[in-house]
Amino acid sequence: NAGVTQTPKFQVLKTGQSMTLQCAQDMNHEYMSWYRQDPGMGLRLIHYSVGAGITDQGEVPNGYNVSRSTTEDFPLRLLSAAPSQTSVYFCASSYSAGTNTGELFFGEGSRLTVL
Amino acid sequence: GENVEQHPSTLSVQEGDSAVIKCTYSDSASNYFPWYKQELGKRPQLIIDIRSNVGEKKDQRIAVTLNKTAKHFSLHITETQPEDSAVYFCAARSFQTGANNLFFGTGTRLTVIP
Repeated sequence: NAGVTQTPKFQVLKTGQSMTLQCAQDMNHEYMSWYRQDPGMGLRLIHYSVGAGITDQGEVPNGYNVSRSTTEDFPLRLLSAAPSQTSVYFCASSYSAGTNTGELFFGEGSRLTVL
Repeated sequence: GENVEQHPSTLSVQEGDSAVIKCTYSDSASNYFPWYKQELGKRPQLIIDIRSNVGEKKDQRIAVTLNKTAKHFSLHITETQPEDSAVYFCAARSFQTGANNLFFGTGTRLTVIP
């Protein structure tokens, strides 16, 4: 049981490049989400999904796309990277809000630098 | 949407003393309040949570209290140890949204001085 796995752990991009952060979970969680973490700003929700084929925007969705073709995978795409997207990105998953536990399990994080 | 404020941003205590971190939230529909601990370079990990039908919850040296009327909740760590040094985040979520979207405070960096 690997939990939530993110790749890559580190990435450097040039302004305007695109890339995809991968996220996979093996806990059969319905809910998956992406957060970004910036100094002094906590964790902010980018996009989330409550099941395969369903995605929605969070607090800071601009410049990012997501898809959820399977229960296990939830990739985050940066369409045209900007320096403001330099951040640490966390993928997280949990059972749906309707169940007894709401614990959100986080991946190890992906540190992205945009030059 | 939900807005969570957290204070203080930094906190230093002597080993063995208690530490208290406070959070307020804005959405009266929020009914689940977890606390996460994040060590340097690591992922956030859940340490304790409380639901709106409970006023206080304890787990060994940590406890969380909730005041729904005032919309604030607090984390209490007693008999602090150097390994408690980390960044702590509070969060709030409303089940009514149908999604497990947590809204986080800005974090408190706790330093326990040996």
